[in-house]
Amino acid sequence: QVQLQESGPGLVKPSGTLSLTCAVSGGSISSSNWWSWIRQPPGKGLEWIGEIYHSGSTNYNPSLKSRVTISVDKSKNQFSLKLSSVTAADTAVYYCARNSDYDAFDIWGQGTMVTVSS
Amino acid sequence: DIVMTQTPLSLSVTPGQPASISCKSSQSLLHSDGKTYLYWYLQKPGQPPQLLIYEVSNRFSGVPDRFSGSGSGTDFTLKISRVEAEDVGVYYCMQSIQLPYTFGQGTKLEIK
Repeated sequence: QVQLQESGPGLVKPSGTLSLTCAVSGGSISSSNWWSWIRQPPGKGLEWIGEIYHSGSTNYNPSLKSRVTISVDKSKNQFSLKLSSVTAADTAVYYCARNSDYDAFDIWGQGTMVTVSS
Repeated sequence: DIVMTQTPLSLSVTPGQPASISCKSSQSLLHSDGKTYLYWYLQKPGQPPQLLIYEVSNRFSGVPDRFSGSGSGTDFTLKISRVEAEDVGVYYCMQSIQLPYTFGQGTKLEIK
């Protein structure tokens, strides 16, 4: 049973860089799946941030593309998110998720709350 | 971006009664491969979203058969035949025919 677990600082200063990691357990990140980051501001809906394949290929949401970097570390079976120049608008619960063979997100991490504040 | 519009944004249902949520997309979700890339999720309070329905009408593993999806092109519906207390939460539709993946605003289901 594949499980995902997000980790990283819960508080980031404005203009700083948000950095999160998603550890994959119970399966290999090198499987034939893409791996995504999705966020949810408090009390609001879901926004897809971007995805990565184990080869390192990425796709990003154009609305965030200039600030986002998603990378993969196959040796650690994990993938990571970096979001630069953050503002209060980036305060959200950040989820990592697996893109299933059905082109949907079938496995999600529990999510980690990141607050942007000085 | 493809805009996903859900209605209603909230509904209150008596246990045992049916419920229905509509989702409309700004572009057709029918791909040339014959698949329609429309999905439904339920986010229970304090939890991440969970996949309910994939490709319009296919129930994901473990999803009760009281949940059903239908529709085509740009108009889709999620139906719950008999609402139970455990069905409370926010329901989202999502498209994955085109990047970026986009979600509807969500429909909050409450129990009367």
